[in-house]
Parts: sequence; structure tokens; C-alpha cells
Amino acid sequence: EPEVTQTPSHQVTQMGQEVILRCVPISNHLYFYWYRQILGQKVEFLVSFYNNEISEKSEIFDDQFSVERPDGSNFTLKIRSTKLEDSAMYFCASRTSGAHTGELFFGEGSRLTVL
Amino acid sequence: AQSVTQLGSHVSVSEGALVLLRCNYSSSVPPYLFWYVQYPNQGLQLLLKYTSAATLVKGINGFEAEFKKSETSFHLTKPSAHMSDAAEYFCAVSDRNTGFQKLVFGTGTRLLVSP
Repeated sequence: EPEVTQTPSHQVTQMGQEVILRCVPISNHLYFYWYRQILGQKVEFLVSFYNNEISEKSEIFDDQFSVERPDGSNFTLKIRSTKLEDSAMYFCASRTSGAHTGELFFGEGSRLTVL
Repeated sequence: AQSVTQLGSHVSVSEGALVLLRCNYSSSVPPYLFWYVQYPNQGLQLLLKYTSAATLVKGINGFEAEFKKSETSFHLTKPSAHMSDAAEYFCAVSDRNTGFQKLVFGTGTRLLVSP
């Protein structure tokens, strides 16, 4: 069964360092998302991406964050200068169509720990 | 803006007992509602969804949920719990007027099943 894959599964970094989290969405999907979950808190929307541009972003997604789809298969989330409060589980998701009833398929997440 | 509230961060049941996980939503328009499950060290998996067809929705693994507009609720139930149901369950809402189906999640409920 097709699945969304994310790497790394766990990354530890020092505050101020750049981090890139990678996702390979399901191959025929067109809509891509990043969510995050700080330990013990709710899953929060970060950004959605379609047709090589951001379609919506949350207040969390400030200038320190960026996304791109560099090669038609990977979908990356970059944090330019990590802060302690960026420590969280980051989930990538994808969907095949724009229909509201379409299911989002999630990856297993990348746990980021900022020291 | 839409939101969901999940009552109870933890629910404990015995194997064979009824499972009831509560979710109430807030939305200015009729919403789409979802339940996702997260097993340990795995991603989020769709259990079921309500998209304005039948108000009683059946999902995978014997779970079902009923949309009650008068109560703004979408509680998840299963008649008889199995040990394998132990996981984190997330209720989510999507505004059908939103172009790219951003999901807004609740804080999650951890289901514990004892022998």
C-alpha cells in the first residue's frame, strides 16, 4: 500500500542550527501539508502546498520556516535557525485531490529535539 | 474558526467493554469531521469521516461515530474493546468552505485497554 515516508525519524540539533525534514508523499498526490505536535499538545497545522506554491500557512509558519518540492518527489520543511520551542513531532501529509472529503495520508513523523 | 474539543486526555476500559471517546466541534458552517488513530511510533491513520451523508458513520476496526448537529458532537464508539485498540485518537474538523481542507485537530485521547 502506498505510504508517506519521512526522514529522519528523530533528529537532535543545537539551538540556532538549520534543520531540514524530508517527506516523500504518495506519488499521485497533489496536495501536501506539514503539521506539528509539541509533546502533550494538539496536532497543529503549519502549511499547505499545491502547484509548487504555499496555499495556506498558519501563524506558526513564520520567516524561519520554508517548504519546497525540489525534485517532484520530495517535499521538505526547513527551519533556518532552530529554537528550543521548535522541539516537536513534525508530520507530513498528502492528498490526491482538492475535494474536502479527500483523506489526508500522514507519515510516521519526524521527531525534532532542539537542545 | 473551527475547533474541536476532546473531553478526557485518557480513557481506560477493560477488554470487551464499550469504548466511548468524546468530540465536540465548533464551526460556523456544517463541517466535515474525522477521527484519526495513532498507534505507537506510527503516523496518523484515518478511522472514519463524516461528509454530510449518513449521520452514523462506520469506520475501520469496528469503530463508528454519530454526527449530532443539535449537540455539535461526533463521538467515537466501539461496542467491545480489544487490546489492539490501545492508541491515541484524534478528532479533527475541516471547513467545507476552505479551499485546501486544512484539518484542525483536537488534543487527542489516549485509550488504555486492560485485560
